[in-house]
Amino acid sequence: SQQGEEDPQALSIQEGENATMNCSYKTSINNLQWYRQNSGRGLVHLILIRSNEREKHSGRLRVTLDTSKKSSSLLITASRAADTASYFCATDAGGSRLTFGEGTQLTVNP
Amino acid sequence: ETGVTQSPTHLIKTRGQQVTLRCSSQSGHNTVSWYQQALGQGPQFIFQYYREEENGRGNFPPRFSGLQFPNYSSELNVNALELDDSALYLCASSLGQGATSGELFFGEGSRLTVL
Repeated sequence: SQQGEEDPQALSIQEGENATMNCSYKTSINNLQWYRQNSGRGLVHLILIRSNEREKHSGRLRVTLDTSKKSSSLLITASRAADTASYFCATDAGGSRLTFGEGTQLTVNP
Repeated sequence: ETGVTQSPTHLIKTRGQQVTLRCSSQSGHNTVSWYQQALGQGPQFIFQYYREEENGRGNFPPRFSGLQFPNYSSELNVNALELDDSALYLCASSLGQGATSGELFFGEGSRLTVL
């Protein structure tokens, strides 16, 4: 079963705009990760935020985590056409697995 | 590139057949996880292998089985294929075992179509 739910399911923006994707989850977690997937290919790790962290930055990416609301957001600033992909949040609730959400399909128009 | 390689990249099977998918993990990584991703959905955890032993399993029937070899490469075997097994099968390697998962390094996947 999917623990995470991404919102929106699809997002279309113009180059240069910011893109925000949200993720909600159900159980306590150790960390939350964001991955990117280009058109049916492998997933690429973007960023990991631990349960005791509230915000993290990596280049044009900003991730926030609110454990009281069981939610996270991924902000991509100054988007580029090359950012077009599916973005997934994945939660680590202990054990050996990551539980992925359904993903947000981001389209950045040139 | 992650250094994780999977083969074959695409294959077509018929219902009832068996399939073996292969994965070579990134150098130095001793843990391999397998995920199934149906079209338009997120990846679903199948199982994980750590030092040649199964270390956690998702909600998949026993006809999904795996192996990890001393060089940490891995196989996923699926018997008695069903139409719903059509999906992208992703292998991911990582380092270490513990209560907390770190970053996973994914291969490009094997696209299985069952007719």
